[in-house]
Amino acid sequence: AQKITQTQPGMFVQEKEAVTLDCTYDTSDQSYGLFWYKQPSSGEMIFLIYQGSYDEQNATEGRYSLNFQKARKSANLVISASQLGDSAMYFCAMREGRVTGGGNKLTFGTGTQLKVEL
Amino acid sequence: ETGVTQTPRHLVMGMTNKKSLKCEQHLGHNAMYWYKQSAKKPLELMFVYNFKEQTENNSVPSRFSPECPNSSHLFLHLHTLQPEDSALYLCASSQDPSARSGYTFGSGTRLTVV
Repeated sequence: AQKITQTQPGMFVQEKEAVTLDCTYDTSDQSYGLFWYKQPSSGEMIFLIYQGSYDEQNATEGRYSLNFQKARKSANLVISASQLGDSAMYFCAMREGRVTGGGNKLTFGTGTQLKVEL
Repeated sequence: ETGVTQTPRHLVMGMTNKKSLKCEQHLGHNAMYWYKQSAKKPLELMFVYNFKEQTENNSVPSRFSPECPNSSHLFLHLHTLQPEDSALYLCASSQDPSARSGYTFGSGTRLTVV
């Protein structure tokens, strides 16, 4: 079974509108972290936002917020006031278990291609 | 400037060639990673190095050979590759242990095997 599922291969949004990108995850760990990354056509992966499994409040970073519903195992990314520069591929990722020596291994979803239109 | 630099940005190689990808980070991170990104597939973790020691080899074929001489540099040596190895190869680093940080990625090397 996939650990990270992104069911929207492509999304369109009009400039200045808000958009929600879906992400569901599967883990039996109690301690885990959820990440969203943006990948423009240039190829680099840009870290956007982080949500810890024990965080009581939803994470926010500027125009990005994470709608974390633990019981439903979903971690949707909300982008408010979309801009043309937001057009990119967006990946949801999860780090399972406690952080220990050995590196923070992240498992990624297949991504959602977002296109912002005028 | 992302802090993680990958060279070259693009590489075309024949199946009998030997080439190397280079990754360098100036962030003081202690863990470094190689990921493979193929079209329409999730990123695939290939190798993990923590304090220069390899801690993960995700069943990668031996035609990919990593090298980590120090915590700032990571190489991926390539030889006798197959056309299906064509992909974007991403290097990343992280500060470990750190709960809230993910990876800092480089811009990747787009590899085409002909």
